[in-house]
Amino acid sequence: GNSVTQMEGPVTLSEEAFLTINCTYTATGYPSLFWYVQYPGEGLQLLLKATKADDKGSNKGFEATYRKETTSFHLEKGSVQVSDSAVYFCALRPSGGGADGLTFGKGTHLIIQP
Amino acid sequence: EPEVTQTPSHQVTQMGQEVILRCVPISNHLYFYWYRQILGQKVEFLVSFYNNEISEKSEIFDDQFSVERPDGSNFTLKIRSTKLEDSAMYFCASSEGVGYTLRNTQYFGPGTRLTVL
Repeated sequence: GNSVTQMEGPVTLSEEAFLTINCTYTATGYPSLFWYVQYPGEGLQLLLKATKADDKGSNKGFEATYRKETTSFHLEKGSVQVSDSAVYFCALRPSGGGADGLTFGKGTHLIIQP
Repeated sequence: EPEVTQTPSHQVTQMGQEVILRCVPISNHLYFYWYRQILGQKVEFLVSFYNNEISEKSEIFDDQFSVERPDGSNFTLKIRSTKLEDSAMYFCASSEGVGYTLRNTQYFGPGTRLTVL
């Protein structure tokens, strides 16, 4: 079946550090890939997405590239801020018109210290 | 900006009781979803709903669960006889459109924390 594996957290960084959160997936075909972010007390917000191999999703300084050859979708940001502290979820949606449900990773808690 | 809302934010119930979790999806959206997250575990897909019927459901969504769109704005998840293991955060989501691409962006609500005692 489909699955998503994320690096375990919490990840603690200093402000302005470079961020990488690893995400790898298992799925047949060409799933769509997503990063969601959850700030304390709020719901899941879509951060970025990519729908085909070599696509790069980007938003708010975050980037992730869909790598079919390594089945990865790592999240990166060049210079993190305290306000980036949140839980980040990698997710996939299977290819195929009938598939609706997202498959999520366990989430990575990111803590940015001033 | 339109958003998905959920009520209540926290629900406490006794084992064996029925609970109804409520959601108001974004008004022009056509697809609706429920997910749950047991503490410390992954967010798991439960069910999707379109045109007043279930579109897809996971193995978790057994006979004790049901969903309904009772009017033009609400979308509900009912658990008939709650068990201790139903304690989790339940997220509602919605997406616009019918095609695969338009269903790709799912907008989530803040969740309802269900505690079964």
